[in-house]
Amino acid sequence: RKEVEQDPGPFNVPEGATVAFNCTYSNSASQSFFWYRQDCRKEPKLLMSVYSSGNEDGRFTAQLNRASQYISLLIRDSKLSDSATYLCVVNMVQTGANNLFFGTGTRLTVIP
Amino acid sequence: GAVVSQHPSWVICKSGTSVKIECRSLDFQATTMFWYRQFPKQSLMLMATSNEGSKATYEQGVEKDKFLINHASLTLSTLTVTSAHPEDSSFYICSARERPGAEAFFGQGTRLTVV
Repeated sequence: RKEVEQDPGPFNVPEGATVAFNCTYSNSASQSFFWYRQDCRKEPKLLMSVYSSGNEDGRFTAQLNRASQYISLLIRDSKLSDSATYLCVVNMVQTGANNLFFGTGTRLTVIP
Repeated sequence: GAVVSQHPSWVICKSGTSVKIECRSLDFQATTMFWYRQFPKQSLMLMATSNEGSKATYEQGVEKDKFLINHASLTLSTLTVTSAHPEDSSFYICSARERPGAEAFFGQGTRLTVV
């Protein structure tokens, strides 16, 4: 089983739609969680950290469910510029090492 | 956010030569740096994790003698692709973080083409 799993999509949604992505992780001792976005042929950029209480940044809401070991990202009022690949990232402590694990990414295309 | 600078952004080299890629954290001290490779339309693949002052930890299947990683200071890590071959052509990206559990920031990536 992969450490972090995401639905690769693609998700094709119209402008203005609300879309949600989920991501599951395998290690219950995982410490911190992040969402990144990656545009085509560019490096990933931090979108937001995910806190236990959930957090919101404008149209983006991230939530963490430790009991079920998943995190989610909700995008409201989708814009064309939201088209990108969204990466779920989990920080885990394994065999003494403190490592980041990436999901394969979920591809989002917002259609006019 | 924090700034990580990667250089060069692209390089073309002849088969058999070596290429060095630099990754610098400009406004923070990076205790850990990560090196990734990404082929077109595929996800990031972690190659190795590098902690300052110690040997890099390579992922399974990544040849440590071919991909030499040095993390000599808290702001600089280098990846050297030795005896490059066309199949090494890829997008190489580094990331750096200040402390365990913190978010990582990525360099701009290096597009390597071996001809």
